[in-house]
Amino acid sequence: NAGVTQTPKFQVLKTGQSMTLQCAQDMNHNSMYWYRQDPGMGLRLIYYSASEGTTDKGEVPNGYNVSRLNKREFSLRLESAAPSQTSVYFCASSRLAGGPWGETQYFGPGTRLLVL
Amino acid sequence: DAKTTQPPSMDCAEGRAANLPCNHSTISGNEYVYWYRQIHSQGPQYIIHGLKNNETNEMASLIITEDRKSSTLILPHATLRDTAVYYCIVRVGGGGSNYKLTFGKGTLLTVNP
Repeated sequence: NAGVTQTPKFQVLKTGQSMTLQCAQDMNHNSMYWYRQDPGMGLRLIYYSASEGTTDKGEVPNGYNVSRLNKREFSLRLESAAPSQTSVYFCASSRLAGGPWGETQYFGPGTRLLVL
Repeated sequence: DAKTTQPPSMDCAEGRAANLPCNHSTISGNEYVYWYRQIHSQGPQYIIHGLKNNETNEMASLIITEDRKSSTLILPHATLRDTAVYYCIVRVGGGGSNYKLTFGKGTLLTVNP
């Protein structure tokens, strides 16, 4: 199993450009997540999808949109990139969202995005 | 979710046990203790979790005090590849905002040769 994969690994954008970050998992997990990590800070949740067909906002959703394409894939779109969106983006998945006592999340390798 | 307190950094000699403490004095009865780590430039990696009993897996052991107000992650034979930031997370399951993992600053463990 590849686990959670993300593409691209690196991307440089100019302010105002758009792009889509791709994420796929092969663990048959129901729930998927997008986080961003800024230097010296912890991860912050952008959006999550508890199950196929549903998406919800996390802590920092402004400037982003998501699509749960199918059970395997969860994409994150920046419609008009801004320098404040320069960050490392991590996708994660879990068997269930939350569950009775919490669920382990498995993370991808990350996408490093620089917005000039 | 309960707040956690971890030392900012620790050192450990290669081959020795690394004991990483975490204080979570406001933990609730239905909150689990999770440990993740993040090796430089990689995504966070799940290590272990527990409710009140001690837990062990192939990576580590988790010791939770009887009052559940603190815990210790033990890496029995640390290697250079264990150098990473270790995060202690306390969370309750359920729905809504509990889906997210709240990563604090964690402990930077440096394993020295």
